[in-house]
Amino acid sequence: NAGVMQNPRHLVRRRGQEARLRCSPMKGHSHVYWYRQLPEEGLKFMVYLQKENIIDESGMPKERFSAEFPKEGPSILRIQQVVRGDSAAYFCASSFTDSGETQYFGPGTRLLVL
Amino acid sequence: ELKVEQNPLFLSMQEGKNYTIYCNYSTTSDRLYWYRQDPGKSLESLFVLLSNGAVKQEGRLMASLDTKARLSTLHITAAVHDLSATYFCAVGGSEKLVFGKGTKLTVNP
Repeated sequence: NAGVMQNPRHLVRRRGQEARLRCSPMKGHSHVYWYRQLPEEGLKFMVYLQKENIIDESGMPKERFSAEFPKEGPSILRIQQVVRGDSAAYFCASSFTDSGETQYFGPGTRLLVL
Repeated sequence: ELKVEQNPLFLSMQEGKNYTIYCNYSTTSDRLYWYRQDPGKSLESLFVLLSNGAVKQEGRLMASLDTKARLSTLHITAAVHDLSATYFCAVGGSEKLVFGKGTKLTVNP
């Protein structure tokens, strides 16, 4: 049973470009969470999605960031017009339900903005 | 707003010694989680603590929860080098988790 998969694992973008981060949850999981980790910091919640729905995006910056989890395919975190401050590790987690079950984390995408 | 504080943030200890990492949180919450992260890696789930007085042990690690004090501890017994990593506590029920800043543990021979 494959775990949470994320790709790419490393992504380099120049300022102003777009970054697309993909997350495939564990088999059978329909709840996806995105977190951002700055160097030497803990993870900060960004957004929580179920299939085709955004449930909570309270941690998402209001501009340039968007997320989706379509009926078919992986969840996508999209960052438009990236800036140096977007450089971070972005982790996706999934859970079977939203009843406080353990969230299982993917390997992360390390984004570097030059 | 839920806040989670861990201490210490850095811990250097010798093999064979015992130590405790503390995790305080500001508001009542359903569950408390402990995760381990190795450098450049993802987070590995260690423990989920659900109720007051809960205690869980795995190898040299033991976690406990006091919901009245809003405090969880992660106790390390007879540390070995393989335990070197960053340990995070996280609090939450459904939906989002709020993480502490992590405790970077280094176990020296």
